[in-house]
Amino acid sequence: EVQLVQSGAEVKKPGESLKISCKGSGYSFTSYWIGWVRQMPGKGLEWMGIIYPGDSDTRYSPSFQGQVTISADKSISTAYLQWSSLKASDTAMYYCASSHSPLVDFDYWGQGTLVTVSS
Amino acid sequence: SSELTQDPAVSVALGQTVRITCQGDSLRSYYASWYQQKPGQAPVLVIYGKNNRPSGIPDRFSGSSSGNTASLTITGAQAEDEADYYCNSRDSSGNHGVFGGGTKLTVL
Repeated sequence: EVQLVQSGAEVKKPGESLKISCKGSGYSFTSYWIGWVRQMPGKGLEWMGIIYPGDSDTRYSPSFQGQVTISADKSISTAYLQWSSLKASDTAMYYCASSHSPLVDFDYWGQGTLVTVSS
Repeated sequence: SSELTQDPAVSVALGQTVRITCQGDSLRSYYASWYQQKPGQAPVLVIYGKNNRPSGIPDRFSGSSSGNTASLTITGAQAEDEADYYCNSRDSSGNHGVFGGGTKLTVL
């Protein structure tokens, strides 16, 4: 059974750093893309970026380029999304999702990680 | 604003057919995939590619495309189909992904 299990909810202060994770199981982690999707409270889905763990090929949405870093450790089948300096506007639910094709068609999703940034 | 445009809300009577659309220039070159999201849940892929349904998705869901518009059709809508629906495709550069703004479907 394919599963993507994300790390737990986080409460942070503005300016702090954060790294959230997404662990894949039940499939070949290095053969599928892993994307990150933001959903701000009461809003729609936003495509942030995607990584191919097999060779670490990474693409970012222009809206998120330079704002976050996507990485993966294929030895432990885990992808990451990190911020170096959080802002209140980063408060959102973040989903990871796997895809057999680059950029689109996310067929398996993690349960989401709620990130709250507040002073 | 998104490069993929969806109507914010659509309603359908129980058992009737509804079409949810997604417009964007990139759809002239790329297929859209469609996701269903219910409150408090992660999205679920319902259509991808030309018109493919993942395992477990009822066959009342279908997809089509014409010009710059992709469509998700639900034939015989059920109460459990009430949800937000999002389209997803490449952006106009073809180098990134993008989601539509979402359509809230109400089943009356």
